Amino acid sequence: SQQGEEDPQALSIQEGENATMNCSYKTSINNLQWYRQNSGRGLVHLILIRSNEREKHSGRLRVTLDTSKKSSSLLITASRAADTASYFCATDDLRGKLIFGQGTELSVKP
Amino acid sequence: ETGVTQSPTHLIKTRGQQVTLRCSSQSGHNTVSWYQQALGQGPQFIFQYYREEENGRGNFPPRFSGLQFPNYSSELNVNALELDDSALYLCASRPTPGLAGEDEQFFGPGTRLTVL
Repeated sequence: SQQGEEDPQALSIQEGENATMNCSYKTSINNLQWYRQNSGRGLVHLILIRSNEREKHSGRLRVTLDTSKKSSSLLITASRAADTASYFCATDDLRGKLIFGQGTELSVKP
Repeated sequence: ETGVTQSPTHLIKTRGQQVTLRCSSQSGHNTVSWYQQALGQGPQFIFQYYREEENGRGNFPPRFSGLQFPNYSSELNVNALELDDSALYLCASRPTPGLAGEDEQFFGPGTRLTVL
């Protein structure tokens, strides 16, 4: 079963615009991770935010975490065509099991 | 590149057959997990192995089984294949607990299994 939901399911933007994806989850977590997947291939780890952190940055990525609302958001600034992919959030309870959302399909048009 | 490799890349089987998928973990990683990703869905946890023993399992029937070897490579075996087993199978390894970045999991490129 999926941990939660991602919103929106699909997002189409122009190059240079910002893309925001949201993720909600149901249970207590140790950390939350965001992954990118190109064309149904392997998952690429983007960023990890721990339950005691509220915001984290990595290059053009900004992740926020609100444990009171059990939600997270991923912001990609100044998007590029190469950012076109599916993005997944996954929660980790530190027993090794990652529980993924259903993903957001991002399309960045040149 | 994560350093995690999987073989084969693609596989076609018929219903009722058995399949073995292989994963080679990144150097220094002694924990490996397997995930099933159906088309259009997020990955679902199958099981995890730590130091050659299963130490966590998702909601998958016993015909899904695994092995981890002393060199930390791993196999996923599926018996009595069903049409719904068609999916991308991903393995992920994580560093030895106690090392920096131990929470991050590194995924391989996956094996695409088609059951006809």
